[in-house]
Amino acid sequence: KQEVTQIPAALSVPEGENLVLNCSFTDSAIYNLQWFRQDPGKGLTSLLLIQSSQREQTSGRLNASLDKSSGRSTLYIAASQPGDSATYLCAVNDDYKLSFGAGTTVTVRA
Amino acid sequence: EADIYQTPRYLVIGTGKKITLECSQTMGHDKMYWYQQDPGMELHLIHYSYGVNSTEKGDLSSESTVSRIRTEHFPLTLESARPSHTSQYLCASRPSGTGGVGYTFGSGTRLTVV
Repeated sequence: KQEVTQIPAALSVPEGENLVLNCSFTDSAIYNLQWFRQDPGKGLTSLLLIQSSQREQTSGRLNASLDKSSGRSTLYIAASQPGDSATYLCAVNDDYKLSFGAGTTVTVRA
Repeated sequence: EADIYQTPRYLVIGTGKKITLECSQTMGHDKMYWYQQDPGMELHLIHYSYGVNSTEKGDLSSESTVSRIRTEHFPLTLESARPSHTSQYLCASRPSGTGGVGYTFGSGTRLTVV
């Protein structure tokens, strides 16, 4: 059974600081890994999708890395802004379903 | 614009009522999913479908049922709502095939049973 862990559970940083969010998973037999953003009481917005054969993926200020053999992914957010405040979810796809971590709740202070 | 739609966004209903949560997608995706999320907790898969007339239960036991009569529509029904059903329900879809395209989620339905 795939288990996904996200560390830290919560993070508070001043505006402009870089964010580093960690995700680990127990079963390396994955097809891809997806990072999502969730605002309070809302649905999930997809941020980045990394295929199992890729090492990293970038979109604007966001960069995600994947080390499948060690079961780890990291999401980097450069030059954080108050609008980046949200919960960030890591999800691993084994082609049957997405297995989610509990998320990292980020607060960016102006 | 291709998207996935859930209605209603919020629902407060009395115990014992029958309810249906709607989910529709315009992307022609074969695979559709229902996830349940309690406040501050992880998402858990409760139902999925790989195409028309295909439905399966997920990992988390749920008293709800689903149907898939049309590709674009995947409604979830609770025959008799109870306070323990209070939660957020998220619908998702993706195309068949591995890797490639990720999951797309709807905005969710926040259900409160009183």
